[in-house]
Amino acid sequence: QQQVKQSPQSLIVQKGGISIINCAYENTAFDYFPWYQQFPGKGPALLIAIRPDVSEKKEGRFTISFNKSAKQFSLHIMDSQPGDSATYFCAASPGGGNKLTFGTGTQLKVEL
Amino acid sequence: GAVVSQHPSRVICKSGTSVKIECRSLDFQATTMFWYRQFPKQSLMLMATSNEGSKATYEQGVEKDKFLINHASLTLSTLTVTSAHPEDSSFYICSARDIGGPSTDTQYFGPGTRLTVL
Repeated sequence: QQQVKQSPQSLIVQKGGISIINCAYENTAFDYFPWYQQFPGKGPALLIAIRPDVSEKKEGRFTISFNKSAKQFSLHIMDSQPGDSATYFCAASPGGGNKLTFGTGTQLKVEL
Repeated sequence: GAVVSQHPSRVICKSGTSVKIECRSLDFQATTMFWYRQFPKQSLMLMATSNEGSKATYEQGVEKDKFLINHASLTLSTLTVTSAHPEDSSFYICSARDIGGPSTDTQYFGPGTRLTVL
């Protein structure tokens, strides 16, 4: 019940395309859903986060879509660039300051 | 703002020795810090929650006597891997929550420490 399932495991997108990564959870106590970007050998960096009171949040080229009834949320990266090539993790926690449960990660490669 | 540092960035040690990793919040206070471990091409697994002035809370399966955590101040938590063995080789990452920031939800991650035990 604590798991967060993430797909796909890897993704190749052409420059300028849309990258879409999906996550699903079971624990209804989760109410904070961040996405992190991680480059090799570095710590994760927060991209964007959402709470269940909204269905969508957009920051620049990054958008989270949230479906509370389906217990799913997704990250959309618009106009994907080679510099976006990294590993992306979704996460969830019961309250934002509490411990995070991470998804399994998606390795994104944006090709020219 | 909201920068978390870790020291050292990488360490190589012999089997049986102990290694201490520091996690510092540079420009904010953190009553709670978290320690994660990440194996190559895998996700982050929470090891323990470090609380300033009290004992750490360990996740199931994490040996508290092997992974000693001390959170002596609002800006510093340390993780000591005691009697390290090759299977302890991993990427150790800490995170901290800014209790005085605009969003107490946000956890800021350090750059990680690569531990290699020979």
